[in-house]
Amino acid sequence: QITLKESGLTLVKPTQTLTLTCSVSGFSLRMSGVGVGWIRQPPGKALEWLALIYYNDDQRYSPSLKGRLTITKDLSKNQVVLTMTNMDPVDTATYFCAHMETGTTGNCFDVWGQGTMVTVSS
Amino acid sequence: SYELTQAPSVSVSPGQTATISCSGDKLGDKYVSWYQQKPGQSPVLVIYQDMKRPAGIPGRFSGSNSGNTATLTISGTQAMDEADYYCQTWDSTTYVFGSGTKVTVL
Repeated sequence: QITLKESGLTLVKPTQTLTLTCSVSGFSLRMSGVGVGWIRQPPGKALEWLALIYYNDDQRYSPSLKGRLTITKDLSKNQVVLTMTNMDPVDTATYFCAHMETGTTGNCFDVWGQGTMVTVSS
Repeated sequence: SYELTQAPSVSVSPGQTATISCSGDKLGDKYVSWYQQKPGQSPVLVIYQDMKRPAGIPGRFSGSNSGNTATLTISGTQAMDEADYYCQTWDSTTYVFGSGTKVTVL
């Protein structure tokens, strides 16, 4: 059974850097075709894709946020980490991580974490 | 950047068919997935690769994609289907979600 769980600070100040961790189980981050993505959702608003890292360390970023995001993975801990710099109140949102497999389901997010709410406020 | 457009809301009577559209430039050339999200919950994949259903998703959910429009159809809509629905696609570099459609079962 594939599971993902997000963790990190829930309250950050403007201009600070946010670090979120996605702990995964039930699959290997090394497995060919596997990816883990980050998606966020401001309160009452739509889903917004942020970043994705593939099994081969290839990284993809949202063009609108590319300069602020870094996604990495730690194979020893089965974790994917997202950092976002220069946080602003408009970045207040629930942040989700999700599993993706290019081979079987064709680049969609088939299993999602529970999400973690991040508030940006001074 | 690529954009996917959805109508904000759709209303449907129980037992009737709900049709949710998602439009984008030459969307029919790409694979589309659909997600259902109920209040306070994480999204759930209901359709992938335009028309395939993951295990556990009821057969009343179906999808199609042609031209500039992808469509999610819920046949025999039930009260439990009331939720927000998002389309999603990708190209070689980015992933995109639609603006979402709230389905209300009246």
